[in-house]
Order: sequence, then structure tokens, then C-alpha cells
Amino acid sequence: GESVGLHLPTLSVQEGDNSIINCAYSNSASDYFIWYKQESGKGPQFIIDIRSNMDKRQGQRVTVLLNKTVKHLSLQIAATQPGDSAVYFCAENIRGGYQKVTFGTGTKLQVIP
Amino acid sequence: DGGITQSPKYLFRKEGQNVTLSCEQNLNHDAMYWYRQDPGQGLRLIYYSQIVNDFQKGDIAEGYSVSREKKESFPLTVTSAQKNPTAFYLCASRRQAHQPQHFGDGTRLSIL
Repeated sequence: GESVGLHLPTLSVQEGDNSIINCAYSNSASDYFIWYKQESGKGPQFIIDIRSNMDKRQGQRVTVLLNKTVKHLSLQIAATQPGDSAVYFCAENIRGGYQKVTFGTGTKLQVIP
Repeated sequence: DGGITQSPKYLFRKEGQNVTLSCEQNLNHDAMYWYRQDPGQGLRLIYYSQIVNDFQKGDIAEGYSVSREKKESFPLTVTSAQKNPTAFYLCASRRQAHQPQHFGDGTRLSIL
């Protein structure tokens, strides 16, 4: 079935380097995408979002890129800090009458001091 | 402060018992969601509700039931038909489509 998935289950980066977390989606009816950060034992926190009519969106130290041609989404974190260590999820909103949102498997980001 | 409150934080179920997880929000959001998260995995959608007195099955609804009698509340019942209920359960809400969800801090359900 159609689903959201991630390429890398674990990503280790040196403090101060940039991080790139990738996500592949296959549902062509998705029109809105969201990145969340989840720390251990807590609920996911919103990071950044993007609509399907955009290719790029920037926030504070984070950038989301959307490539609809290959159905690929990425989250870039600039100058990665120890506090960025967490699991990151992408989620997709499927266009339609009901607000169904599905999540990918997640990528664990480990920041090495 | 506005937010989503899930209770209890930890819950234990005996064999053959139904248990209900509470989710309350004071964000005035229309849509509410229940997800299940297993260790090292993503979130799987159980049920979602776009409006009061209406809800839809998600991808793994079997063994679960919900109600949406009030805008603020979306309780989830884990029935005895759910044979593997041990998981972390997350509730979320959002105002409308094309906006991010707000999540509670979850309920961890275990089997005695």
C-alpha cells in the first residue's frame, strides 16, 4: 500500500555539522507535509511544514525541501547541536474530505559532541 | 496554557479487560487523532475525528473504539479484542487541514 517511509533509520553527525534527514512518500494525493521531532517518552513536536505547491521552506536552522517529481522530502538542520538529538518523523496529509495524516518510520539523529 | 492532556501516563490492563485512555484538548481544535507507537517504530493511525459525533477508522482500528461527544474530548477504548495492546499511545489535535498537529505526552499501556 502507499506509505511514507524513511531511507536511514539512524544518522550520526558531529556537533556543528549540518544534518540531512530524508523521507520518501508514494501517495500522489498528499498535499501537505510535516516534520516532527520526538524526544524519548514524549509526544512529537512540530518543526516545520510545507505545502505541495512549494519546493522549499526555511525556518530557524531548519529547511525542508520537497521534490514532487521523485516524491522525496528532506529536512536539513544547520549547525547541529546536542539538543537536536531525537527521532525525526515526516508525516503526510492526504488530500480529501477527511484529515488523514500518516507518519513515516522515523530517523534517529545522534549528535556527537 | 492551551494544550492536550493525556491520562493516565501509565496504564496496566488485565487479560480480557477493556481500558479507556483519556485525551482532552483546550485548543478549540476540530480534528483529533489517536496513534499507536511501538518501540523503535513510527506512529500508526488508529482513529481520527474531524468533527463532533463523527470519526473514521485509521489503518489499525481493529480492537479499538472511540467516541467524540464533545469537541474537547476524544477517549480511546482498548478492548479485549486487541490481542497485542502493549504500546505507547499518542493523541493529537489540529484546527484544520494544512496545519500541524499538536500532540499530548502519551499513555504507555502494558499487560499484566
